[in-house]
Amino acid sequence: GENVEQHPSTLSVQEGDSAVIKCTYSDSASNYFPWYKQELGKRPQLIIDIRSNVGEKKDQRIAVTLNKTAKHFSLHITETQPEDSAVYFCAAGYSTLTFGKGTMLLVSP
Amino acid sequence: GAGVSQTPSNKVTEKGKYVELRCDPISGHTALYWYRQSLGQGPEFLIYFQGTGAADDSGLPNDRFFAVRPEGSVSTLKIQRTERGDSAVYLCASSRGQGRHEQYFGPGTRLTVT
Repeated sequence: GENVEQHPSTLSVQEGDSAVIKCTYSDSASNYFPWYKQELGKRPQLIIDIRSNVGEKKDQRIAVTLNKTAKHFSLHITETQPEDSAVYFCAAGYSTLTFGKGTMLLVSP
Repeated sequence: GAGVSQTPSNKVTEKGKYVELRCDPISGHTALYWYRQSLGQGPEFLIYFQGTGAADDSGLPNDRFFAVRPEGSVSTLKIQRTERGDSAVYLCASSRGQGRHEQYFGPGTRLTVT
């Protein structure tokens, strides 16, 4: 089955800096790669996703890149704000998803 | 419109008891998923329904876990002879299906087995 590795497990940045979270996956059949943001005690919220026929996708301050050959994908957040502080999960799959273990992002004012 | 809803929000039960967790997906979503999330971990896939049928139940940990979706909408996750290791947040998600993969999560049910 699919195996997703996510790094780093924690990331601390200053407000205004950029943050990058990286994931690798193992199953070449995976073709859908979403990212979720989860605040403490809340449900995971879909923030951006990318499909295997696209190399990069951007939505305001967040962007995701995908390298299918290397089987890795990354989340980029620019101009970070304190409200970006949360746990971020990457996932890979098709109809079912395998999630990474999460990255706790802390943005300090 | 309304999002995915789950009841109860919290459930405390004694070891060995039977529990049922309910998920109400977004209206019109044909695909429904159950996940389990332990503290400090990502959601772990349990079972996926497309319509009324279980399309993939490979994530169910053992035969104490069972899920149904009899009318293709609401789903119930059933756990028999609960064990302390079953304690976790059980998340439900739904998607449009038919190639639309975006999954939207419910708030979860926090299950505590004492």
